[in-house]
Amino acid sequence: DAEITQSPRHKITETGRQVTLACHQTWNHNNMFWYRQDLGHGLRLIHYSYGVQDTNKGEVSDGYSVSRSNTEDLPLTLESAASSQTSVYFCASRRDTGELFFGEGSRLTVL
Amino acid sequence: DQQVKQNSPSLSVQEGRISILNCDYTNSMFDYFLWYKKYPAEGPTFLISISSIKDKNEDGRFTVFLNKSAKHLSLHIVPSQPGDSAVYFCAAGLSNSGYALNFGKGTSLLVTP
Repeated sequence: DAEITQSPRHKITETGRQVTLACHQTWNHNNMFWYRQDLGHGLRLIHYSYGVQDTNKGEVSDGYSVSRSNTEDLPLTLESAASSQTSVYFCASRRDTGELFFGEGSRLTVL
Repeated sequence: DQQVKQNSPSLSVQEGRISILNCDYTNSMFDYFLWYKKYPAEGPTFLISISSIKDKNEDGRFTVFLNKSAKHLSLHIVPSQPGDSAVYFCAAGLSNSGYALNFGKGTSLLVTP
């Protein structure tokens, strides 16, 4: 069965460290997205990609980067983790009919 | 500025009754609207969608209504069941582009027995 998986599911790191959250989908979807979910803010878009070598900034992209070297993967990197980046991160890919399919989330704590 | 707004953070409904969740949007270019359901410690799951060419879409117990002139949509759940207790997110976007969906802040629905 096709799916979208995120790893790690939980991570604790220290301020200033580099962190990478992995996202892998097996649907061969071109469009992939990273969102963060915070209390009182809902889901906010961090970065998105329409295909290999394409990346774009979302509304809360500062401090984050992504790369798209193949269709299946869109890793999210926090260059220098900050306490404000403590959050739950969701990766998603988009069907041709428009719906996003989400992974189960990665809970990141920055101490 | 938030383009999709869910002004009710929470809603409590008795089992068997109707649940009505509301959503407003500000961007008149949006032509595709979706509702997602989220349980704790899980990713959001797609529930139902509606295109701007329609004003109603029904799927079992779930119906979404769209009022384009008011830039308002609502999700009706009839009858409500305890398993419907979750956070519901409204989302809007453009159907002819690959652009990401804009989400509201969510409404936490509690269905009590």
